[in-house]
Amino acid sequence: QKEVEQDPGPLSVPEGAIVSLNCTYSNSAFQYFMWYRQYSRKGPELLMYTYSSGNKEDGRFTAQVDKSSKYISLFIRDSQPSDSATYLCATVSGGYQKVTFGTGTKLQVIP
Amino acid sequence: EAGVVQSPRYKIIEKKQPVAFWCNPISGHNTLYWYRQNLGQGPELLIRYENEEAVDDSQLPKDRFSAERLKGVDSTLKIQPAELGDSAVYLCASSQEFYGDEKLFFGSGTQLSVL
Repeated sequence: QKEVEQDPGPLSVPEGAIVSLNCTYSNSAFQYFMWYRQYSRKGPELLMYTYSSGNKEDGRFTAQVDKSSKYISLFIRDSQPSDSATYLCATVSGGYQKVTFGTGTKLQVIP
Repeated sequence: EAGVVQSPRYKIIEKKQPVAFWCNPISGHNTLYWYRQNLGQGPELLIRYENEEAVDDSQLPKDRFSAERLKGVDSTLKIQPAELGDSAVYLCASSQEFYGDEKLFFGSGTQLSVL
């Protein structure tokens, strides 16, 4: 079993839709949670990070963490064609601070 | 501010040939990472440097892979000899210091094709 599980998609939605991307993780030692966005032929770029259960909002993006169920979500409101990319969830364990990535979910927003 | 620079962007080689990748991190970033990303997968850590010291190379296949970070700045990752299964994107990332809330800045990667 992988430490971080993520549905690879692809996920195709119409412009303006609300997108929900999800990950589950197995290691309760994970303390920090992040979402990276990766455009085709580019490196990942950090979108959101949080270190506690609950919600964190940044513009059209909301990251949600439920540590009790080991579940991480990213919501995108009013999705745009420019949001078309692969979204990677990532977790960080304490101490050594190793970053573990999920497999990524490919999102396509259709105009 | 310049981002993480990697070269080359693409490399095509035949199996058993050597290959090297170069990375220049963001100025002032002490921590440097090499990741490998297979098609349809997330990045997987190969090695992490704190300044010149490799603090985690547990996932680096040491029989054929080697890395160095000279003077705590630029880094090279080498594969010798390359195998078909090494075809992937090799990503370099850097951060100032990592305490869980620091950003990892990634380069655009080197796409390696081994024929």
